[in-house]
Amino acid sequence: GQQVMQIPQYQHVQEGEDFTTYCNSSTTLSNIQWYKQRPGGHPVFLIQLVKSGEVKKQKRLTFQFGEAKKNSSLHITATQTTDVGTYFCAVGDSWGKLQFGAGTQVVVTP
Amino acid sequence: EAGVAQSPRYKIIEKRQSVAFWCNPISGHATLYWYQQILGQGPKLLIQFQNNGVVDDSQLPKDRFSAERLKGVDSTLKIQPAKLEDSAVYLCASSLLVIAGQPQHFGDGTRLSIL
Repeated sequence: GQQVMQIPQYQHVQEGEDFTTYCNSSTTLSNIQWYKQRPGGHPVFLIQLVKSGEVKKQKRLTFQFGEAKKNSSLHITATQTTDVGTYFCAVGDSWGKLQFGAGTQVVVTP
Repeated sequence: EAGVAQSPRYKIIEKRQSVAFWCNPISGHATLYWYQQILGQGPKLLIQFQNNGVVDDSQLPKDRFSAERLKGVDSTLKIQPAKLEDSAVYLCASSLLVIAGQPQHFGDGTRLSIL
């Protein structure tokens, strides 16, 4: 099946700083979704990307799908303590099945 | 709308015992998923249902795991007998349709500990 690599595995950020997490695949992806899981919580859907080069923004979060549809990124500006959690990318197939990456665990220092 | 309901929240059993988890998806959602999430990893799909039929169970360890969704609404996942490596959070998710791009809505999960 498709393999998706997420980097970094762990990100320690000072409040107010920006950071980016990346999701890479060796194969072309049909679509990619991003989820956030707070500590002790369950994954919550953030966004879906479908088109080559697509960029979507949600307040301080910017999601991008690569031109070749083999990678995606999530950039967070001016990190806040509410951004703490693990961010997963998930690769979807035509039946709605998702394969999740290992996630990027984000810790924010006030 | 009410979210995905799962029970129990926590379960502790000894190896070789059996355990069952229950899930009630969001009303009207045709597709239901069971995931296993081991600490520090992403959720791994075990089985996908559309209504009461199985769409994908390729990653379900069928020698010990079973799942059903008899009336196409709620679902149960069973492990018999449990092994130490089954310690994980078992997440249920649902989506409206079984097509690409549907957001999945997750329940709070059942945290299973095997002694």
